[in-house]
Amino acid sequence: QPQLQESGPGLVKPSETLSLTCTVSGDSIVSINYYWGWIRQPPGKGLEWIGSMYYSGTPYYNPSLKSRVTISVDTSKNQFSLKLRSVTAADTAVYYCAGQARIAARPSWFAPWAQGTLVTVSS
Amino acid sequence: DIQMTQSPSSLAASVGDSVTITCQASHDIRNYLSWYQQKPGKAPKLLIYDASNLETGVPSRFSGSGSGTDFTFTISSLQPEDIATYYCQQYDNLLFTFGPGTTVDIK
Repeated sequence: QPQLQESGPGLVKPSETLSLTCTVSGDSIVSINYYWGWIRQPPGKGLEWIGSMYYSGTPYYNPSLKSRVTISVDTSKNQFSLKLRSVTAADTAVYYCAGQARIAARPSWFAPWAQGTLVTVSS
Repeated sequence: DIQMTQSPSSLAASVGDSVTITCQASHDIRNYLSWYQQKPGKAPKLLIYDASNLETGVPSRFSGSGSGTDFTFTISSLQPEDIATYYCQQYDNLLFTFGPGTTVDIK
């Protein structure tokens, strides 16, 4: 399985854009075996799927976040990225990137996961 | 959207006990269900996929069953290292949703 590692600022001001990058190692981001996804977890709460995409496809987004989210893939760097615009305190969470198994050309379960990165929205 | 519910929200059992968690989907999701274990401060870890398939390297005391809307996750003999929160996740439609989680503790 590939290894994944998130990077990006741990503190973002309200109304600004949260930007995170996930670097994939041990496999190519153009692998036919994976979609690539983002999931978040507010402190003390459950898991919320943000969005997923195949390296050459159209991203899928959580409808509750769709108007503010962009996920993209950079094949030259073996990375994929998350941008979440107009953040508020409610966007404070641990953000995880994950591989999502591609089965019969469909995204399915999430594995592997990166370790997660806490992003706090505060002025 | 497909809503996922889990019960109980938390439980405590003795070492060696059998523990069962249920997950219910608001619509038929066939067998497109996975289970994850999350220990405090750690990322979730896949345990079960396609409702009943054990991920490679996961101990055989973990198992899953079910299809349609009703699913079960079982730890056959609870061990101290199984203290964690367990989540189900559906992938039948392309709007992936997780259950609210079940926290498992040792009595």
